[in-house]
Amino acid sequence: NAGVMQNPRHLVRRRGQEARLRCSPMKGHSHVYWYRQLPEEGLKFMVYLQKENIIDESGMPKERFSAEFPKEGPSILRIQQVVRGDSAAYFCASSPDVSSYNEQFFGPGTRLTVL
Amino acid sequence: AQSVSQHNHHVILSEAASLELGCNYSYGGTVNLFWYVQYPGQHLQLLLKYFSGDPLVKGIKGFEAEFIKSKFSFNLRKPSVQWSDTAEYFCAVNADGNNRLAFGKGNQVVVIP
Repeated sequence: NAGVMQNPRHLVRRRGQEARLRCSPMKGHSHVYWYRQLPEEGLKFMVYLQKENIIDESGMPKERFSAEFPKEGPSILRIQQVVRGDSAAYFCASSPDVSSYNEQFFGPGTRLTVL
Repeated sequence: AQSVSQHNHHVILSEAASLELGCNYSYGGTVNLFWYVQYPGQHLQLLLKYFSGDPLVKGIKGFEAEFIKSKFSFNLRKPSVQWSDTAEYFCAVNADGNNRLAFGKGNQVVVIP
């Protein structure tokens, strides 16, 4: 059973470009979470999605960031007009349901570098 | 918003030494508690978790953690570490089933053979 897949693993963008990060949840999981880890910091929650729905985006920056989890295909975290401060590791996690257990399984992360 | 504190960001110790990593959280309601480990070059893996019941939780690879509600703490312990325990350890808290995990800054643990 493949784990959570993220690609690319490393992404380099110049300021002003767009970054697209993809996450395929574990088989049978319909809940996806995105977290961001800045250097020397812990992971910070960004957004929680179910198929075709954003459930909680309280951690998303108000501008330039968006996320989707379509009916078919991976979840996408999109960052428009990237700036140097967006350089970070972006982790995706998935879970099978929204029971009280909330165990989340993490992917390997995408390391975004903005030049 | 809940917050999680982990102290002593960098820990260096010799094989066979005992390890204890502190975790304190700032939320008074019902919490689920987790310790994750990230080995070099790998993704986050769950070490152990606490939801309810016995406050002393045993996880994989000889790790255990104790939930002390009165101290808002969930410290991680291992009696005798190995070189392969070199990794970064993150404490995480989920409060009232809101599906967000709040992470501490992590402890970078280096075990010297």
